[in-house]
Amino acid sequence: DAGITQSPRYKITETGRQVTLMCHQTWSHSYMFWYRQDLGHGLRLIYYSAAADITDKGEVPDGYVVSRSKTENFPLTLESATRSQTSVYFCASSPIDRASNTEAFFGQGTRLTVV
Amino acid sequence: AQTVTQSQPEMSVQEAETVTLSCTYDTSESDYYLFWYKQPPSRQMILVIRQEAYKQQNATENRFSVNFQKAAKSFSLKISDSQLGDAAMYFCAYTPPYGNKLVFGAGTILRVKS
Repeated sequence: DAGITQSPRYKITETGRQVTLMCHQTWSHSYMFWYRQDLGHGLRLIYYSAAADITDKGEVPDGYVVSRSKTENFPLTLESATRSQTSVYFCASSPIDRASNTEAFFGQGTRLTVV
Repeated sequence: AQTVTQSQPEMSVQEAETVTLSCTYDTSESDYYLFWYKQPPSRQMILVIRQEAYKQQNATENRFSVNFQKAAKSFSLKISDSQLGDAAMYFCAYTPPYGNKLVFGAGTILRVKS
């Protein structure tokens, strides 16, 4: 199916464990993003990627690692999960062409709980 | 750094009435895009409406319209003939002319009363 999918939808993990959230898009969009959603903060950018093998930090990158070896995949890894990383995580993609109005397409979100 | 402010944490509207959600933003850019996203309880992020900064005409999408005041850096969303299905969290967002990164406001919860 065409679109952007995240997995898992829900995850509970323990403090100190490594966790990877997966994101896959089928449109071949150049840009991909990871946001976290917290009450009172809206969505904040963690990391983004302009193309394969190109990644850059967003507003709240500490404690997270990303990679983009293929255009369609953009996994987010929490190297050692902390309770402050309990959040809803959204992956998004958008085309590079601004004439397309830069609409971002979002995955369904992953609710991560760190206990 | 660009910022987006939504000063109304919650709003209520009676079914069939009109409601306006406020949004202000701060940027030094002259060309950018503004968006309103709707997030129902399903968590899905749904694009409601977009506005290009260089277009003076306010965007409209059916019952949804915006009041874009570029000099005041204000971007409010008006929902006419409110329906129960409009109940959701609404996010105002900004993206600069490069990088496609979205900057979001904190969100406004809209409740629709029958």
